[in-house]
Amino acid sequence: KQEVTQIPAALSVPEGENLVLNCSFTDSAIYNLQWFRQDPGKGLTSLLLIQSSQREQTSGRLNASLDKSSGRSTLYIAASQPGDSATYLCAVGYQKVTFGTGTKLQVIP
Amino acid sequence: EAQVTQNPRYLITVTGKKLTVTCSQNMNHEYMSWYRQDPGLGLRQIYYSMNVEVTDKGDVPEGYKVSRKEKRNFPLILESPSPNQTSLYFCASSSTGRDSYNEQFFGPGTRLTVL
Repeated sequence: KQEVTQIPAALSVPEGENLVLNCSFTDSAIYNLQWFRQDPGKGLTSLLLIQSSQREQTSGRLNASLDKSSGRSTLYIAASQPGDSATYLCAVGYQKVTFGTGTKLQVIP
Repeated sequence: EAQVTQNPRYLITVTGKKLTVTCSQNMNHEYMSWYRQDPGLGLRQIYYSMNVEVTDKGDVPEGYKVSRKEKRNFPLILESPSPNQTSLYFCASSSTGRDSYNEQFFGPGTRLTVL
């Protein structure tokens, strides 16, 4: 059974800092990996999706990488802003989807 | 506007009273899925559907039913709700086309309390 872990569970950084969020999975035979953000009391917003054949994807200040052999993905956020404060979730799977428990990010002005 | 809608957004009910949470998408997506989110446990998949009349169990299907009679709708049915089904529920959909790689789009959530 696929297990997905996100460490740390919470992270607090000053505004402007570059940061990396981690996502680990146990079964490397994945179809894709998707990163989401969730604001308090809200739904999930898709940030980036990496196909199994890709190594990375970029959108604005966000860059996600995928290393299937080591079972890891990282989400890099450049020049963090207070508006980036949210919980970040990663998910793997095609039909059956497994989520990590998330990293709660606080960017301090 | 492309979206996934859920109704109701908030629901308080009592043990044993059957309820249905509706989910609808306007993107002509083949795939739809239900999740529940609980503190400390994250999001867990309840059921998913690859297309009309095709449904399958996720990780936590006990106590839930689903149906997929139309492509746009995927209702979640709790026939006899219990307090341990108090949770935040999300519906999601995605295209299974070659270029989509199942990128999921989520509804706003339904907060259910069972007394």
